[in-house]
Parts: sequence; C-alpha cells; structure tokens
Amino acid sequence: EAGVAQSPRYKIIEKRQSVAFWCNPISGHATLYWYQQILGQGPKLLIQFQNNGVVDDSQLPKDRFSAERLKGVDSTLKIQPAKLEDSAVYLCASSSQGPILTNTQYFGPGTRLTVL
Amino acid sequence: AQKITQTQPGMFVQEKEAVTLDCTYDTSDPSYGLFWYKQPSSGEMIFLIYQGSYDQQNATEGRYSLNFQKARKSANLVISASQLGDSAMYFCAMSGGFGNEKLTFGTGTRLTIIP
Repeated sequence: EAGVAQSPRYKIIEKRQSVAFWCNPISGHATLYWYQQILGQGPKLLIQFQNNGVVDDSQLPKDRFSAERLKGVDSTLKIQPAKLEDSAVYLCASSSQGPILTNTQYFGPGTRLTVL
Repeated sequence: AQKITQTQPGMFVQEKEAVTLDCTYDTSDPSYGLFWYKQPSSGEMIFLIYQGSYDQQNATEGRYSLNFQKARKSANLVISASQLGDSAMYFCAMSGGFGNEKLTFGTGTRLTIIP
C-alpha cells in the first residue's frame, strides 16, 4: 500500500512570494490533515478535511494561507504572500474512517519551506 | 484544551539497553487516544504505537511498549534492546473524541543511541 505522497520535498522562496504544496493521501482515507512544524517544535494542525469538507481550520492564518481538497482526494496548501516566519516543514497526514479514537494518522515525508 | 509535556529534550543511551521516554498529558475530554511517533532526520513522522484511554492493558508493538498510567496522566514509551537505527526525535501526541481528532504534539525528545 502506497503511503502519503507530498511534493515538492524542498522549496526556497523570497518573502512576499507565493508557494503551493501538494498532498496525495493513502487510497481510501477520508480524512486529510495539514500540519506546520517549526524547527524545534512539534507539528501544529493547520487544517483538517473530511472528504472535501473542512472540519477544523481554526489555526489556519486565513489572510495568507488557503487550502482545498477537490473531489475528496488530493489537497493543495497555498501561502500568499509568504513571510519569514512561515519557514517550516509542512506535513500532510491522512486517516481512515473508523472508531474515532483509533484513527491513526499516517504522515507524508513533508515539504521543507525556507523563506528568505 | 489538550496539552502534551515531554520534559526530556535529549537522551543518550547505550546500544542494546532499554530506554524510557517520558510523556505527560492534560485534557478535559473523557475519552482520548495517545500516540507515539518517530521522526528520523529525513523528516517523516513514523507511527509507532497507540493507546486508548479506556484500554485496560498497556499497548505493545514489537520492541515498543507504552506504559499508560491514567491516574498520573502519563504515557511513557519504552523501547527495549535499543538499536542504532532508533536514533531520532520521538513525539508523544494525543487526540480527543468526535470533532477533536487533530493530534496535539509535545516538543519531542531527541534520542541518540551510542554504539
């Protein structure tokens, strides 16, 4: 079974530029998550999708970040315009539908963003 | 709100020894899940083990076991017979019930296995 795929793996941009990240979850997984991991910290949830609907985007900086999950499969996270503090690893995770507490999230390799 | 505390920023352990990584948590949810993930230098978060708040027995997965003490709100990870490949960051995380499935992570512990 293929894991969660993400691209690109690395991205370097200048501040005020825009950038987009792509995620393809494990086949059949209904729930998709985007996390931001700043160096030296644990990941923090940005947005959670159930199929193609948003469940939780309370910590997404909506003035610059946007995300979509068309057709309930692939997802794209965009930052426009980027700030220096957006430098981080962006992790995508997915989980299947089942008993809520046992929904293990499986992560992709992440995209390391550097904003200069 | 949920909170995870990992008080060991770094640990050095001799190869083949057992190691315990500490994790305490706080939550107001009556039911919750506890997870441990491993993050090698490559950056990917690898799922290791899961414990449900109503599980009577401690979870085990190969060389990994979770020492769950509900009254103390602790969920320590025990790795038996450590190997050089165990060197990585280890994160404790928790999720809540319906509508609160997101993972709340601790700050992690960097484990280094010494040959």
